[in-house]
Amino acid sequence: QQKVQQSPESLSVPEGGMASFNCTSSDRNFQYFWWYRQHSGEGPKALMSIFSDGDKKEGRFTAHLNKASLHVSLHIRDSQPSDSALYFCAASEPPDTNAYKVIFGKGTHLHVLP
Amino acid sequence: EAAVTQSPRNKVAVTGGKVTLSCNQTNNHNNMYWYRQDTGHGLRLIHYSYGAGSTEKGDIPDGYKASRPSQENFSLILELATPSQTSVYFCASGERARGDSDYTFGSGTRLLVI
Repeated sequence: QQKVQQSPESLSVPEGGMASFNCTSSDRNFQYFWWYRQHSGEGPKALMSIFSDGDKKEGRFTAHLNKASLHVSLHIRDSQPSDSALYFCAASEPPDTNAYKVIFGKGTHLHVLP
Repeated sequence: EAAVTQSPRNKVAVTGGKVTLSCNQTNNHNNMYWYRQDTGHGLRLIHYSYGAGSTEKGDIPDGYKASRPSQENFSLILELATPSQTSVYFCASGERARGDSDYTFGSGTRLLVI
């Protein structure tokens, strides 16, 4: 079973609209979360991390984490065509453990329509 | 600028042949990772390393070996390539997070095994 589940698989929003993604970890050992973005033909690039309950805002991007349910979401306001990409949720073990594996979800394709 | 460089960018190999994918990082990160990306599976961890001389099995290590001869270099070796190993391979480097992500990906190697 996939340890990191993402939804939806694909999402289309109009330019200027709000895009929202969801992610859940099924393993309580993996409760430190990141969001990555991958444009076509490139490697993934880190957008932001979130380790504590609540919201974290960076520019147009806001992440929300509920540690009790191991659910994290990402919201992009004022979406731009350049935001069209594959968005990955990633979860890791506590950063002070030797294992420190990072597990990725399958990703959500975002299409921002001009 | 700190970076992760992969070579080759594209590779065609014959079934049963040996393939070596190379990765070099200038981030001075202790940890390095090899992932493969396939449609419908997202990014799956093959092997990773905590530092020079160490290699660890990820979630899908069968058919792959890894080598970490130095802090900067991490190779993925397919001793007997099979068509099922046709994929896009990504190398990444990272540190144990101290509050933010240092996970940096290369641009990927597209491997076709015929």
